[in-house]
Formats: sequence, C-alpha cells, structure tokens
Amino acid sequence: DSGVTQTPKHLITATGQRVTLRCSPRSGDLSVYWYQQSLDQGLQFLIQYYNGEERAKGNILERFSAQQFPDLHSELNLSSLELGDSALYFCASSERQGDEQFFGPGTRLTVL
Amino acid sequence: GQQLNQSPQSMFIQEGEDVSMNCTSSSIFNTWLWYKQDPGEGPVLLIALYKAGELTSNGRLTAQFGITRKDSFLNISASIPSDVGIYFCAGRGSGGYNKLIFGAGTRLAVHP
Repeated sequence: DSGVTQTPKHLITATGQRVTLRCSPRSGDLSVYWYQQSLDQGLQFLIQYYNGEERAKGNILERFSAQQFPDLHSELNLSSLELGDSALYFCASSERQGDEQFFGPGTRLTVL
Repeated sequence: GQQLNQSPQSMFIQEGEDVSMNCTSSSIFNTWLWYKQDPGEGPVLLIALYKAGELTSNGRLTAQFGITRKDSFLNISASIPSDVGIYFCAGRGSGGYNKLIFGAGTRLAVHP
C-alpha cells in the first residue's frame, strides 16, 4: 500500500458525459501527478500540482482539467468523454517536486 | 521531446533464471527509476538512481545508472513466479524538472 488513495476504482459512463476522479496523496506529500495508461500502453503524464498550484503539464487534452485543493487532495475532471478516453488513470504523489513518485491503485474508466 | 526506449518488450523465462532489461535515451537524464506494475494495480517503485555509475540493489533486483546518463538497466536474479508483471523504467531529465518520462514497459512471464 503506497498510501495514495484514488476513488472510484471503476467508472463506466457514456460518450459525451463528464466524470471526476479523486486522489488523496500520501500524508505529507505536496505534489500530485496524474497519468493516463491506455490498454497495454505506457504511462502518459497529464499534469502536476504542487501545494495547490499547477507546475507541469503533459499531453493533457483541453477537455481534461485538474485542481489541487487546500487539503492537498486532487481531482481530475474529464468532460465530453470519447471512446478513446477509456483507460486507467493513475495519481501519484511525492513529498516535494522532483522526488520519487508513489502511485495510487488507479481508476479504470470505461466509456461506452 | 525526450523519449525512452525500453527493451525487451516481453520476456518468457523459467523460474530460477536471471533477467535483464534496459532503457536508453537520446538525451541525458538526471534520475532513473524502475517500477513494477501488477495487473490492475498501480506501479510500485523498486529502485531509484540519482548518480551516473550508481549501482543499487533491492533484494534480488539490481539496477545501474549508466555512465553516459543515457541508459539504465535492471537485473533480476533467480526469478520466481511472483516476479511476473510489467517493469517500467522512468527518467527525469534536466529540461522537465518535474516530469517523469516512462518507457513502454517490459512484460515478464515466469514459468514454474
């Protein structure tokens, strides 16, 4: 158990819908990172927050957005969902920026 | 952008055999990390490397940070069935201080 929690574990929805994925970092970690992993693919970095502020952006679609709240938990919002958005979405956290990242168990999103 | 080439893509070995996998990059990395992912789970950090030439062990696992800073390898000795999974290398370069670049993974199968 990495100490990073993610909810929900599974999410099934329809095209065009909007969903919110939630992540709670390890106690004491200030950085939160979001990754997307499509079937049999590697991990694609989406976005990073540090102590409430966006710090780095990867190949994140404009339909996706995220935020980190004062209690340091983070939410990833996915809107106008398409079939191709079906994937595992992982959250990771680290104590500071540039530290080792610890991953949560992921949310499996299925868009029908 | 920075990319990692991880090889081999997959390996099928007998229990007790040693395993070697590696990652190479066309650009320099300051940090190399090795993760293992079990099916349906989040990646788990195995070994972190921070200096060129560094050789670090974690039980039966040994990883090295290449002298050129453009490669890293992971060795698993005396494999056992629970070594099955996908192994990812990840690197952090000087350009993207906070962003980890992941390799595509090596899928390991161990036959008892």
